Amino acid sequence: GAVVSQHPSRVICKSGTSVKIECRSLDFQATTMFWYRQFPKQSLMLMATSNEGSKATYEQGVEKDKFLINHASLTLSTLTVTSAHPEDSSFYICSARDSAGSGYTFGSGTRLTVV
Amino acid sequence: QKEVEQNSGPLSVPEGAIASLNCTYSDRGSQSFFWYRQYSGKSPELIMSIYSNGDKEDGRFTAQLNKASQYVSLLIRDSQPSDSATYLCAVRTSQAGTALIFGKGTTLSVSS
Repeated sequence: GAVVSQHPSRVICKSGTSVKIECRSLDFQATTMFWYRQFPKQSLMLMATSNEGSKATYEQGVEKDKFLINHASLTLSTLTVTSAHPEDSSFYICSARDSAGSGYTFGSGTRLTVV
Repeated sequence: QKEVEQNSGPLSVPEGAIASLNCTYSDRGSQSFFWYRQYSGKSPELIMSIYSNGDKEDGRFTAQLNKASQYVSLLIRDSQPSDSATYLCAVRTSQAGTALIFGKGTTLSVSS
């Protein structure tokens, strides 16, 4: 079945630095990528939707200059958390969908800890 | 308003019992409905999807959809301790494009 590889699985960074999270679709073309974050005991909150080759659409309250999303190819999307702060510590999950809309494939998630 | 609501639980059932999980959604134009299971620290795993009113069965799981009442439920028969997890209801609404909007999840605990 469809697989999305997400890396890194865990990352610890210092406050003020940037962190890049990658999601690769291994056996299908991810025309749309969704980025979520999940705080402890909370649900997945949609951050942004990106279509390949287009600018991402961010949800209300999500800073587009802080959470940079790149979806330049059909198999790779990245989320860069810029100038990370402790309040950005969370579980970040990507979800990909192909052009046929045959389903949503989730990455394995990235646990970000900002110290 | 794109809202999906679930009781957070915890829902506790003995092994072998039926667990019933409920979800309501606010967008009447919602089209697709999903149930995911999530273990702590892991990504969600798809259990079932349902698109039409009525019941859909897959093994021990049955999803029920009632668009008129705007609710979707998941029944787990013969619950096992390994079913203990958080169950997330996700809805593709008419207001969020093709993204899924998730409820807060219901934590299920199955005791042996």
